[in-house]
Amino acid sequence: GENVEQHPSTLSVQEGDSAVIKCTYSDSASNYFPWYKQELGKRPQLIIDIRSNVGEKKDQRIAVTLNKTAKHFSLHITETQPEDSAVYFCAAYYSGAGSYQLTFGKGTKLSVIP
Amino acid sequence: KAGVTQTPRYLIKTRGQQVTLSCSPISGHRSVSWYQQTPGQGLQFLFEYFSETQRNKGNFPGRFSGRQFSNSRSEMNVSTLELGDSALYLCASSLGRRSGSYNEQFFGPGTRLTVL
Repeated sequence: GENVEQHPSTLSVQEGDSAVIKCTYSDSASNYFPWYKQELGKRPQLIIDIRSNVGEKKDQRIAVTLNKTAKHFSLHITETQPEDSAVYFCAAYYSGAGSYQLTFGKGTKLSVIP
Repeated sequence: KAGVTQTPRYLIKTRGQQVTLSCSPISGHRSVSWYQQTPGQGLQFLFEYFSETQRNKGNFPGRFSGRQFSNSRSEMNVSTLELGDSALYLCASSLGRRSGSYNEQFFGPGTRLTVL
């Protein structure tokens, strides 16, 4: 099955700085990589995603990059704001051998210090 | 559209008991997936149901089971509860149009289960 490693587990940045979260996956059959944001006490919500045929995707202050060869993808948040403080989860959608599954990393707790 | 709902939101049980959690998906969504969330372990996939059939299963013991009804509502059951089963249980629904292609999952608020 797929295995997703996520680093760092905690990240503190000053407001206005950039934050980068990195994930690696194990199975080359994975073809879709979403990122979820979970604020304290709330449900995870999709913030950005990328498909395996795309190298980079941006949405305002958030961007995701994918390196298929190295099997890693990253979330970049620029000009961080206090409301960006949350736990971020990367995930890889594995599709193969009759099995279809979304595997999550263990999460990164981002704290943005005002 | 109403979002994914889960009941109950909080539950306290003792070891050895069993529990049933419920998930109502977004209208029109036919796939429901269940996840266990614990601190430090992230979200771990339990199983997915589509059109009343279990389509995928994670690496959890047989004490964890589920089912889906014709209206796509799903239930998850945990028998012989253990202390380690304490967690937030999240369900997520999606269109589930076709196996192999990804459909965005929308999460419910979760059920917080505490086993004493």
